[in-house]
Amino acid sequence: KQEVTQIPAALSVPEGENLVLNCSFTDSAIYNLQWFRQDPGKGLTSLLLIQSSQREQTSGRLNASLDKSSGRSTLYIAASQPGDSATYLCAVTSDNYGQNFVFGPGTRLSVLP
Amino acid sequence: DTEVTQTPKHLVMGMTNKKSLKCEQHMGHRAMYWYKQKAKKPPELMFVYSYEKLSINESVPSRFSPECPNSSLLNLHLHALQPEDSALYLCASSQVGNPNEQFFGPGTRLTVL
Repeated sequence: KQEVTQIPAALSVPEGENLVLNCSFTDSAIYNLQWFRQDPGKGLTSLLLIQSSQREQTSGRLNASLDKSSGRSTLYIAASQPGDSATYLCAVTSDNYGQNFVFGPGTRLSVLP
Repeated sequence: DTEVTQTPKHLVMGMTNKKSLKCEQHMGHRAMYWYKQKAKKPPELMFVYSYEKLSINESVPSRFSPECPNSSLLNLHLHALQPEDSALYLCASSQVGNPNEQFFGPGTRLTVL
């Protein structure tokens, strides 16, 4: 059974810092990995999707990498801003159709002005 | 348009009530999902519909009854719920197959008295 963990559980940084969030999964035979952010009481916003054949994806100040063999993904946020404060979740799918999404517990990020 | 809409935003119901949650998307996605999210926990997959057919049921109690009347609509019928069913219920949609990027709605906050 796929299990997903995220480190750290919480992170507080001053504005402008570059930071790295980590996601680990136990079964390396994944279909895809997706990163989301969630603001309190809201739905999830998709940040990046990395397909199993890809090594990384970039969107603006965000860069996500995937190392299937070691069961890890990292989300790099450059020049953090207070608006980046949210919970960041990674999710992986391991079934043939990429529909059985398993989420990590999330990293709660606070960026201080 | 990458929007998934959910109604109602909030719902309070007694344990003997029958109510329904509604989800709609117009992105042409043929996979739709229901998740349950408790406070400070990640979303847990409940049901997946693929081409309007139930493809995944994660051993959800029968008091939750999903329905997919067409490719744009997803309902979750609720009956005889328990207080522990109080949670944020999230709907999502994606393409079937790659890229299966999931898009989430804002959720329905359900309180069972």
